[in-house]
Amino acid sequence: NAGVTQTPKFRVLKTGQSMTLLCAQDMNHEYMYWYRQDPGMGLRLIHYSVGEGTTAKGEVPDGYNVSRLKKQNFLLGLESAAPSQTSVYFCASSYVNSPLHFGNGTRLTVT
Amino acid sequence: AQSVTQLGSHVSVSEGALVLLRCNYSSSVPPYLFWYVQYPNQGLQLLLKYTTGATLVKGINGFEAEFKKSETSFHLTKPSAHMSDAAEYFCAVSKGSNYKLTFGKGTLLTVNP
Repeated sequence: NAGVTQTPKFRVLKTGQSMTLLCAQDMNHEYMYWYRQDPGMGLRLIHYSVGEGTTAKGEVPDGYNVSRLKKQNFLLGLESAAPSQTSVYFCASSYVNSPLHFGNGTRLTVT
Repeated sequence: AQSVTQLGSHVSVSEGALVLLRCNYSSSVPPYLFWYVQYPNQGLQLLLKYTTGATLVKGINGFEAEFKKSETSFHLTKPSAHMSDAAEYFCAVSKGSNYKLTFGKGTLLTVNP
């Protein structure tokens, strides 16, 4: 019972580099979310998806893109990383009208 | 728009003492309210939730919270703290049945022996 799996767990990027964070869930959840967590800021929603092929902007979407080509996967892309994107990124998933299940996070440092 | 305020970024208690973590919310519609716990280097786990019905909700690990509409509060309590309760706790709100959550900034709970 893997639940929500995030890849990679850690990554260091130089300013301007690009990367993709992968989130996979095996619970057949409709909804998937990407949050970032920064000290003293709590979690802020970046983008979310209410089903395969759909995405929507959250609270802090600038500098990020997402795709949900398959129901079980939700990808978060950084096209040109900036130091302000240094953070811990959490993916979550849920059924309609049910609580979120979180992955263990990806710690990203942009130098 | 909805928002959550957690009073106290850091709370310290002795083992066996009462735990009280405060959460106030604002919401334009009847809210759904949640408490999540985060242990070091892990994701968030749901402790308890309020949707409708009974205003006192019980969660895992002996925690409970009471929804008080008149005070717009959803404080988390546990009668007797255990060392294993040391973690960061997040209060969250969603608009009705929309589970797109807005989180508070978190409260770090330290339990002293």
